[in-house]
Amino acid sequence: GAGVSQTPSNKVTEKGKYVELRCDPISGHTALYWYRQSLGQGPEFLIYFQGTGAADDSGLPNDRFFAVRPEGSVSTLKIQRTERGDSAVYLCASSPRTSGSTGELFFGEGSRLTVL
Amino acid sequence: GESVGLHLPTLSVQEGDNSIINCAYSNSASDYFIWYKQESGKGPQFIIDIRSNMDKRQGQRVTVLLNKTVKHLSLQIAATQPGDSAVYFCEENMIGRRALTFGSGTRLQVQP
Repeated sequence: GAGVSQTPSNKVTEKGKYVELRCDPISGHTALYWYRQSLGQGPEFLIYFQGTGAADDSGLPNDRFFAVRPEGSVSTLKIQRTERGDSAVYLCASSPRTSGSTGELFFGEGSRLTVL
Repeated sequence: GESVGLHLPTLSVQEGDNSIINCAYSNSASDYFIWYKQESGKGPQFIIDIRSNMDKRQGQRVTVLLNKTVKHLSLQIAATQPGDSAVYFCEENMIGRRALTFGSGTRLQVQP
């Protein structure tokens, strides 16, 4: 499709497990963002990629969270030793702007993570 | 899918009325703002943006007003339609370092 694709759409896991969430941005978009959204809250910034490199990872809550974008397209958000507090919808967005500083972000529909 | 924003402030309007959704932002250095619409089970969708060198910008049926003095942003929707029902978020940014801070959102409910 033409939009941002996120998989899985739903993931249920047990506390302590490792999970990977995938984002396939719109073709040609150089900027890619990960957000986390809890119920009743706005999206919370996690990390921003410009190309292959993480330009800003200041939103990652701790070292259990890590994200990669090895070829400058698909990105994977990795969460180690999951905790119940990690349960949220994880949103990915991409942008064609090389600076990443202005302009519309195109969001995927999110991956809902539930940690039991 | 599960609804976004079950505990958010809610604005209820009649179809055809005008809606005004407000947002207070926190950083006086923010210089770029975006309004997003988020329907249940979906990601946010861009509506309109404004830079801090403007105090008003109009789109199709929507107008954004920016008051930098009191750090306040509003989204006006003309002739509100049932399809406008959603949660609305404002995003504040600093050009050059996109701070990517979203407000907590307002749920708009349009009564037919």
